[in-house]
Amino acid sequence: SQQGEEDPQALSIQEGENATMNCSYKTSINNLQWYRQNSGRGLVHLILIRSNEREKHSGRLRVTLDTSKKSSSLLITASRAADTASYFCATSGASKIIFGSGTRLSIRP
Amino acid sequence: EPEVTQTPSHQVTQMGQEVILRCVPISNHLYFYWYRQILGQKVEFLVSFYNNEISEKSEIFDDQFSVERPDGSNFTLKIRSTKLEDSAMYFCASSRDRLSTNEKLFFGSGTQLSVL
Repeated sequence: SQQGEEDPQALSIQEGENATMNCSYKTSINNLQWYRQNSGRGLVHLILIRSNEREKHSGRLRVTLDTSKKSSSLLITASRAADTASYFCATSGASKIIFGSGTRLSIRP
Repeated sequence: EPEVTQTPSHQVTQMGQEVILRCVPISNHLYFYWYRQILGQKVEFLVSFYNNEISEKSEIFDDQFSVERPDGSNFTLKIRSTKLEDSAMYFCASSRDRLSTNEKLFFGSGTQLSVL
């Protein structure tokens, strides 16, 4: 299975702090993606990193990929209350994307 | 910004009844997907669809499930005889191109299915 697994399962931090979530996967990949889900809503794509990339930035998001360790991390800098959500890493197959279990991020005011 | 729309947002049905969940993918997208999420659990892949054919399906997608693109805009998921364990949030998604070209998924807001 390509399945990604996130760590930690839940994370609670103070507003303004940085949040780091990790993802491990099992097989070779073309890319790894991160999605966000607000409670009871659909997933929203955040960022995609290709297998030949090591780091990518988008606004307050920074993603790293280590294909030798089959792992990725998502860093959210200067967190805000609105960042409270679940975050999922996802790996692509030929005709499906498989999501990990997710990290529930809570930002305390 | 274009979006995937799903109807209804909530569906309550009796066990054994048939339900059809409806989705309108983004208009220039060619690849379509259904996922489901049981409360508090992970988002699970059900099926992918392209060119009026199923591309891939999961073990969850058994003979009780079917998908159809009845016209140029709708994409439906049918559950023939619902079971209690089918209660979940069902998400439709679409992508412009095949996933091997580093495409991302666009999700609808989901249909919450409750089987009583």
